[in-house]
Amino acid sequence: AQTVTQSQPEMSVQEAETVTLSCTYDTSENNYYLFWYKQPPSRQMILVIRQEAYKQQNATENRFSVNFQKAAKSFSLKISDSQLGDTAMYFCAFMIRTTDSWGKLQFGAGTQVVVTP
Amino acid sequence: EAGVAQSPRYKIIEKRQSVAFWCNPISGHATLYWYQQILGQGPKLLIQFQNNGVVDDSQLPKDRFSAERLKGVDSTLKIQPAKLEDSAVYLCASSLNGRVAAGEKLFFGSGTQLSVL
Repeated sequence: AQTVTQSQPEMSVQEAETVTLSCTYDTSENNYYLFWYKQPPSRQMILVIRQEAYKQQNATENRFSVNFQKAAKSFSLKISDSQLGDTAMYFCAFMIRTTDSWGKLQFGAGTQVVVTP
Repeated sequence: EAGVAQSPRYKIIEKRQSVAFWCNPISGHATLYWYQQILGQGPKLLIQFQNNGVVDDSQLPKDRFSAERLKGVDSTLKIQPAKLEDSAVYLCASSLNGRVAAGEKLFFGSGTQLSVL
């Protein structure tokens, strides 16, 4: 069974600063995907960034980037130039890469990010 | 493009009562998911439909939970009778063909927050 652990319940950051969220996971699989989702107060989950485990290059999406360390089973998210709209719960998620496509997302418990003026 | 629609947004019931949630996925999306998100936890998959067939319901408490997607479009999730531990946000999501493991995007609704008293 796969587990996803987010050890930081809450992080606070000032506008324009950088914050890094940690995520570790446990799996015996070699091919999988990792995701970061954002859940604002509206409750709608939004995909922030996605990483394929077979790619060594870390994914980036504008101000969001990841540090993927496969051997350490670590997948941290860095938010640069933080904006007030970044205030949300952030969930790390894992999915095994399968040929039948019915992959199941396994979520961590989440980290609340609060961006202050 | 219209998103995933869910109703109601909030529901308060007493234990042992029945409750139903409704979801209308994005037009043309074959795959529909129901997730349960208990406070302080990440979402957990309850059931996944491909068109009007069930792909995965391994984590659905079938003694009290039921779900249907009769015409392969919208779906209802029912709890009968409700228990205190069913208090949670129920999220609906959809994807084009369920190939999230192959890079397909997952779209979430804003959820229904259920409080069981």
